Amino acid sequence: DTAVSQTPKYLVTQMGNDKSIKCEQNLGHDTMYWYKQDSKKFLKIMFSYNNKELIINETVPNRFSPKSPDKAHLNLHINSLELGDSAVYFCASSPRRGGGLRAFFGQGTRLTVV
Amino acid sequence: DAKTTQPNSMESNEEEPVHLPCNHSTISGTDYIHWYRQLPSQGPEYVIHGLTSNVNNRMASLAIAEDRKSSTLILHRATLRDAAVYYCILRDDGHSGGGADGLTFGKGTHLIIQP
Repeated sequence: DTAVSQTPKYLVTQMGNDKSIKCEQNLGHDTMYWYKQDSKKFLKIMFSYNNKELIINETVPNRFSPKSPDKAHLNLHINSLELGDSAVYFCASSPRRGGGLRAFFGQGTRLTVV
Repeated sequence: DAKTTQPNSMESNEEEPVHLPCNHSTISGTDYIHWYRQLPSQGPEYVIHGLTSNVNNRMASLAIAEDRKSSTLILHRATLRDAAVYYCILRDDGHSGGGADGLTFGKGTHLIIQP
């Protein structure tokens, strides 16, 4: 069974559209994250979500909003997509917040905005 | 999270040991040292982590300097499947809640394995 799964794996859409990426973890973890990997391969944290507490990286535009229907899911909604949003988005989870805990990553969603 | 410094790339031969260095001179007492790797077209994958003592698992070993200002990831017998970008990351266990918790990735070391 895949520990952290994301759908879709690929997403091609036009500028201005609204899209969502789904993430599910079956590990029973309390904390989930979204990361963005741009064309230069830099991986950056976008959000962390722990026990209904959302922490947003200050550089993330408010067009991006994570939504968690339950502890096992953290979906990423993106409004008014822009060309610069093209990237690979990774979902991750860890048991809870803490430096000594490992994170598990999904396989990524490659978003292309045309 | 404190910053780490790694070589941009390293090359090794298959079935030989690989030592990947990482400098983290500004590490704090509550920072754990994590290593992740990212294979082509895949998500990051946990390799190993430690705080003060050396650590071993089925994937690798982590050697931590006595002053904790550097560490080395050791792959005992590299295979072609180990070709990836390896990230050395410090993760603060004393997280106070400011900023998004999570892993701060640098550029990593691109490990090339020659057959």
